[in-house]
Formats: sequence, structure tokens, C-alpha cells
Amino acid sequence: SAVISQKPSRDICQRGTSLTIQCQVDSQVTMMFWYRQQPGQSLTLIATANQGSEATYESGFVIDKFPISRPNLTFSTLTVSNMSPEDSSIYLCSVEDVRAGVGEQYFGPGTRLTVT
Amino acid sequence: AQSVSQHNHHVILSEAASLELGCNYSYGGTVNLFWYVQYPGQHLQLLLKYFSGDPLVKGIKGFEAEFIKSKFSFNLRKPSVQWSDTAEYFCAVSGYSTLTFGKGTMLLVSP
Repeated sequence: SAVISQKPSRDICQRGTSLTIQCQVDSQVTMMFWYRQQPGQSLTLIATANQGSEATYESGFVIDKFPISRPNLTFSTLTVSNMSPEDSSIYLCSVEDVRAGVGEQYFGPGTRLTVT
Repeated sequence: AQSVSQHNHHVILSEAASLELGCNYSYGGTVNLFWYVQYPGQHLQLLLKYFSGDPLVKGIKGFEAEFIKSKFSFNLRKPSVQWSDTAEYFCAVSGYSTLTFGKGTMLLVSP
């Protein structure tokens, strides 16, 4: 299994500002994922981040709004840009256990973002 | 595109009651199926999974799930719940590469 930490654990931000969320894994992984969990909703995949290549964004999410960095095999950041109250969510990163199979993922504790 | 539907958003049970949470998915190809659980204040974690083989799979803490291909279902069961099973349960499906979650079921077990 992998141990994942995220920073910050929570933040309150003003609209129009940006927040960068960090995700650190205790082992080298190929694929890292970023999810959003809005109040009362399920987890929605924002993008998949592979080291050494551009992140792949899901429908409805764009790089200008959610730029992602993946500088090495244990670290990634997600920036929520030009925030609005609709961006208030829990943001989670995860990694996949490729030895187990597609879909078996380990999740971080999440970052609870409130935009005022 | 793949999708997942969970039948109940909130379930309240007394200890020792039996549990069944419904999950149906939509996907045109071979799928991997999962139940994830999030206990209060903890990370989302894997409860059980189905990749192939025996359609009845067993997970941690006495949970099991049955894959019924003809019904596109993967229902979660436990014969006797405990107060410590209070958590949010997410059904998820993985096709080619990405994981799609249902909206989750909040289970509250009263002692």
C-alpha cells in the first residue's frame, strides 16, 4: 500500500485567488489522480498526472483552471485558479496500485477548500 | 462512458441488522468493480474488489459483494452490522483506465 499526504488539510480563500494543493506519496508511482468531491456529491476525476508528461484532463476540467505539476514520481500539485464559491469542495489525490489492477487506488486525506 | 448508480443515499440500521447496499453500473466492456469506504475522519479506503473469477467476493470486516453480470449489479452485503460500520460507502467501476464513483451511501448504525 501507499501512504499519501496532502497539504494544506483545509483552507478558506477569497474569490479570485488561487490555491496550490500538494500531494506527497511515500513510494514512486507512475500515475497520480486528482479528484473533486463537492458537498453531497460523489468523487469526480479532474485529471490524471503522469510524471514527465502533460496531465490528462476529464471533460469539464481545463488546464487554465486546474493546472497540475508532476515534477517527480512521488509528488504532484494541483492549483485551483481564480476561485469562485463553486470551487468549494474537498480535493483528493490518489495513486494506483498497478500490481493489483486498474482502479485499485490509495487516497490521500483530502484538502477541504472553502471559497468566500 | 461509464456510470455508477447507488440506490440509497442514507441508510439507518440497528446493530445486528443485515445490510445490502445496491449498486448498478453502465459500461460496455469488461469492468473492474469496487466498494470503497470512508469512516468518519479517515481516508477513503478499499473495502473489496472484483476483477474476474468467483462473482462473490469477500472483503474486510465481514463484507461481501456479488457481481451479477446480467443485471450490471455489484451489491454490497453484510449479515450483521456493527456500530463501527458507520461510514460512507462508495461503489466504483473501472473500465479502461479511470475510476468512476457512485454518489455514495451514508450508513448509520445505531447501537
